[in-house]
Amino acid sequence: QVRLVQSGAEVKKPGASVKVSCKASGYTFTSSYMHWVRQAPGQGLEWMGIIDPSGGGATYPQKFQGRVTMTRDTSTSTVYMEMTSLRSEDTAVYYCARGLGDVWGQGTTVTVSS
Amino acid sequence: EIVLTQSPGTLSLSPGERATLSCRASQSVNSNYLIWYQQKPGQAPRLLIYGASSRATGIPDRFSGSGSGTDFTLTISRLEPEDFAVYYCRQYGSSPQTFGQGTKVEIK
Repeated sequence: QVRLVQSGAEVKKPGASVKVSCKASGYTFTSSYMHWVRQAPGQGLEWMGIIDPSGGGATYPQKFQGRVTMTRDTSTSTVYMEMTSLRSEDTAVYYCARGLGDVWGQGTTVTVSS
Repeated sequence: EIVLTQSPGTLSLSPGERATLSCRASQSVNSNYLIWYQQKPGQAPRLLIYGASSRATGIPDRFSGSGSGTDFTLTISRLEPEDFAVYYCRQYGSSPQTFGQGTKVEIK
């Protein structure tokens, strides 16, 4: 079946970087865009950007430009989301989601704390 | 950036009642590219409706979406116990894609 499996929880100090992975299976990896969405504790959903697994091109909202990079590895059907200069406000659950959001990863909790 | 405003913030209803959720956009959503999701505590969102009115695979027909331009509605015709959750709209017609802040449907 179609699955997205994300990497495990991370605890980081302010100013550090984090890289979260999302491994796809059960479908043609390059056929669907992948989105990243985050959710701070008790808050709503926030769109972080989109990557085309076929060509590798990515688009980010202005809020994340320069701090977030999305990449992919077609040999392992995996997309990555790296965020730099972490601050406490980045503490959240980070999700990858296929296309319109018919399939989601299980979420990766990133905690930023000194 | 298109701002999506959902109302009400919380809807208190009883099982069997009808729920009507609103999502209003600050400007017209291209091609009515609007999605509705359901999210339960500790879970990832679940796709309900895309293209404003098309039900996703496996979604019961008590869920329906309508609207166009700047005003969209999610209707749950008769609430089942499993429908009490938070609902989000998202527009994917222009970049950056954006989410509404959510409507919580709670048991009265």
